[in-house]
Amino acid sequence: GQSLEQPSEVTAVEGAIVQINCTYQTSGFYGLSWYQQHDGGAPTFLSYNALDGLEETGRFSSFLSRSDSYGYLLLQELQMKDSASYFCAVKGSQGNLIFGKGTKLSVKP
Amino acid sequence: DAGVTQSPTHLIKTRGQQVTLRCSPKSGHDTVSWYQQALGQGPQFIFQYYEEEERQRGNFPDRFSGHQFPNYSSELNVNALLLGDSALYLCASSSRGKLGAQHFGDGTRLSIL
Repeated sequence: GQSLEQPSEVTAVEGAIVQINCTYQTSGFYGLSWYQQHDGGAPTFLSYNALDGLEETGRFSSFLSRSDSYGYLLLQELQMKDSASYFCAVKGSQGNLIFGKGTKLSVKP
Repeated sequence: DAGVTQSPTHLIKTRGQQVTLRCSPKSGHDTVSWYQQALGQGPQFIFQYYEEEERQRGNFPDRFSGHQFPNYSSELNVNALLLGDSALYLCASSSRGKLGAQHFGDGTRLSIL
């Protein structure tokens, strides 16, 4: 089977740093993606890691360790607009995305 | 540059009816995937189209079918609608070589009465 685990909720204050972890169990691994989704909106692509290491895109960074079946999304200098749900997703062999249940991030003033 | 567009945005149907949802991919993308998202859950993969053929299918019954046209746009058809089909249906497009970076449309909210 295939499964992804991520925390259901995380709360942080404006200006802080938050890390959202994702562990996965899949038959075959081809990459880990992260998506942001605001209430009522569409998922927005944030990052994709196919190889081990850290990928940085502005205030967001994503990390992957294939040997540990683990990745995380790091959000720095949190802003109120970062309040949203964040999903990790594993890419299957044919390119389909298998999503976790999502982490709801609440940023407080 | 238009992103992924879906129509309609909202739809209300009754049990047993049939529905067709439409998707135009982002310019330059040739692969279209469809996902179903229930409230409070992550998107679930339905199927993927490339070169007008269904390339992979998730765990959805045959009531769910699709099509891709030569201009890469796509349709999702659902027959014999059930109450449990109520969900947000998302279309995502990508280029074949960048399937890890799929771009989503705003979705069609389907309600079954």
